[in-house]
Amino acid sequence: QKEVEQNSGPLSVPEGAIASLNCTYSDRGSQSFFWYRQYSGKSPELIMFIYSNGDKEDGRFTAQLNKASQYVSLLIRDSQPSDSATYLCAVPSTGTASKLTFGTGTRLQVTL
Amino acid sequence: KAGVTQTPRYLIKTRGQQVTLSCSPISGHRSVSWYQQTPGQGLQFLFEYFSETQRNKGNFPGRFSGRQFSNSRSEMNVSTLELGDSALYLCASAQGVEAFFGQGTRLTVV
Repeated sequence: QKEVEQNSGPLSVPEGAIASLNCTYSDRGSQSFFWYRQYSGKSPELIMFIYSNGDKEDGRFTAQLNKASQYVSLLIRDSQPSDSATYLCAVPSTGTASKLTFGTGTRLQVTL
Repeated sequence: KAGVTQTPRYLIKTRGQQVTLSCSPISGHRSVSWYQQTPGQGLQFLFEYFSETQRNKGNFPGRFSGRQFSNSRSEMNVSTLELGDSALYLCASAQGVEAFFGQGTRLTVV
């Protein structure tokens, strides 16, 4: 069983809609979770990280964590074509971000 | 503040050769991690160096090795290259809970 699982997509949403990206993880001891965005041909960039159950908002992005169900999600409000990218969920194997286990990523397409 | 710098950006090598990739982390960051990204396997952790010591290691064969210098710059070496080593190699500079990636080195083995 993969440690971090994501639907590979593509997830297609119209401009202005809410995009919902999901991630499940297998290690119940995981304490923190990261969302990275990767444009085609580019390196991953950190969008958000979350530790506590519940929601964490940053601009148009909201991360949601449910440790009991072992899932973390990322909501993108008012989706823009520039949000079209692959979104990677990552879980640290240690207490820091020095060793991350990534999901395979969900490709998001925002259509006009 | 300068970001993570990886060199070279692109490499083409022949099977059986060896290659060395370089990574300069963000100033002040002592942790440098290396990842391999392929379409089939996604992003996979190779190893991490902290203060010149390998602190974590992923599940890659011994052909993959690395080192870190006193100025935190790191190098990754792959010996006896195989076609399957063709990938984007990413270096990440970490401090606490945030990891920042370089632009990567695209290695093609022919």
